[in-house]
Amino acid sequence: DVKVTQSSRYLVKRTGEKVFLECVQDMDHENMFWYRQDPGLGLRLIYFSYDVKMKEKGDIPEGYSVSREKKERFSLILESASTNQTSMYLCASSTPVGLADTDTQYFGPGTRLTVL
Amino acid sequence: LAKTTQPISMDSYEGQEVNITCSHNNIATNDYITWYQQFPSQGPRFIIQGYKTKVTNEVASLFIPADRKSSTLSLPRVSLSDTAVYYCPPGGYNKLIFGAGTRLAVHP
Repeated sequence: DVKVTQSSRYLVKRTGEKVFLECVQDMDHENMFWYRQDPGLGLRLIYFSYDVKMKEKGDIPEGYSVSREKKERFSLILESASTNQTSMYLCASSTPVGLADTDTQYFGPGTRLTVL
Repeated sequence: LAKTTQPISMDSYEGQEVNITCSHNNIATNDYITWYQQFPSQGPRFIIQGYKTKVTNEVASLFIPADRKSSTLSLPRVSLSDTAVYYCPPGGYNKLIFGAGTRLAVHP
């Protein structure tokens, strides 16, 4: 079974703090993703990475950065946390399936971040 | 740009069959159709995937017509534990776009 783990289930930080969210997958997947999920808005893609040291912006990258130094690990960084970044953060990984462009994503349990 | 449309919410009762339909505008030739299920305070999990016609697994069936402009997720004899949000995100190169999904409520 694919396993995607996230460093914390719950996190409370103060405005202006630097926050690191870590995600690790154990299936040698090329692609990794960071989403945030807010009530009524579904999942919104922040950043994704299709290879080590490669990254691409998603739909809402402002206020975030990412790091992928190893294939199995993808970190989301909030340089200076703000209250509007209070949210559920979900990490996912995937690998392309044959000739299909649409692959299956496997999600971690999520980190509920509260910024005070 | 590929986009999917699905109902915001549905209600059902235990033991009934539930069908959730998704329309797939501008689906690309190479894209598979994938459905996910999400329970509260958990990440989405893969349910079923198909390219065309019908696919069935232990959880659900997926019906895709020949033109692939829609798909229907069928949950046979739902139980209270099937209460969740169901997503049919459009594909794209190496990424999916999740909207608000369909919130299914199963009642006793």
